Amino acid sequence: AQTVTQSQPEMSVQEAETVTLSCTYDTSENNYYLFWYKQPPSRQMILVIRQEAYKQQNATENRFSVNFQKAAKSFSLKISDSQLGDTAMYFCAFMKLGFGGATNKLIFGTGTLLAVQP
Amino acid sequence: DTGVSQDPRHKITKRGQNVTFRCDPISEHNRLYWYRQTLGQGPEFLTYFQNEAQLEKSRLLSDRFSAERPKGSFSTLEIQRTEQGDSAMYLCASSLGLATNSYNEQFFGPGTRLTVL
Repeated sequence: AQTVTQSQPEMSVQEAETVTLSCTYDTSENNYYLFWYKQPPSRQMILVIRQEAYKQQNATENRFSVNFQKAAKSFSLKISDSQLGDTAMYFCAFMKLGFGGATNKLIFGTGTLLAVQP
Repeated sequence: DTGVSQDPRHKITKRGQNVTFRCDPISEHNRLYWYRQTLGQGPEFLTYFQNEAQLEKSRLLSDRFSAERPKGSFSTLEIQRTEQGDSAMYLCASSLGLATNSYNEQFFGPGTRLTVL
């Protein structure tokens, strides 16, 4: 079974600074994706960034980038130039890919609550 | 609006009552997922539909829970004889799954927050 662990329940960062959220996972699979989702207060979950396991190059989306260490099973999210709108719960998630009737369900960590301070 | 919608957004019920939630996925999305999120936790997978077929159910889905997607469009999640432990946010997500061995993004709805008194 796959597990996702986020060891930082809460973090705080000053506006315009950089923050890194940590995530580790456990799997014996080779074909999978990793994700970071953002859940703002009282708003729906949205995808921030994804990483294919077979790609060595770290994914980047504007101010968001990841540090994917496959051997260490580590997947951290770096937010540069933090903005007030980045305040949210951030979830790391794992998706196993498969053939036939595979579900492609998401397995989430417990989340990190990020507060961006003005 | 072409996003995933859920109804109601909030539901307060007394223990022992039955409740039903509805999810309308993005049109043309053939895959639909239900997740449950309790306070301080990440969402946990409950069940999955491909078109109208329910293909996987989590062990979390006790026999008091039933989900349907009768015409492969909207889905309902019913909880019978609710318990206080059922209090949670119930999230629905949909995706356009062309193949299970390729990525297909799941789009989430706003959720239904259930409170069982």
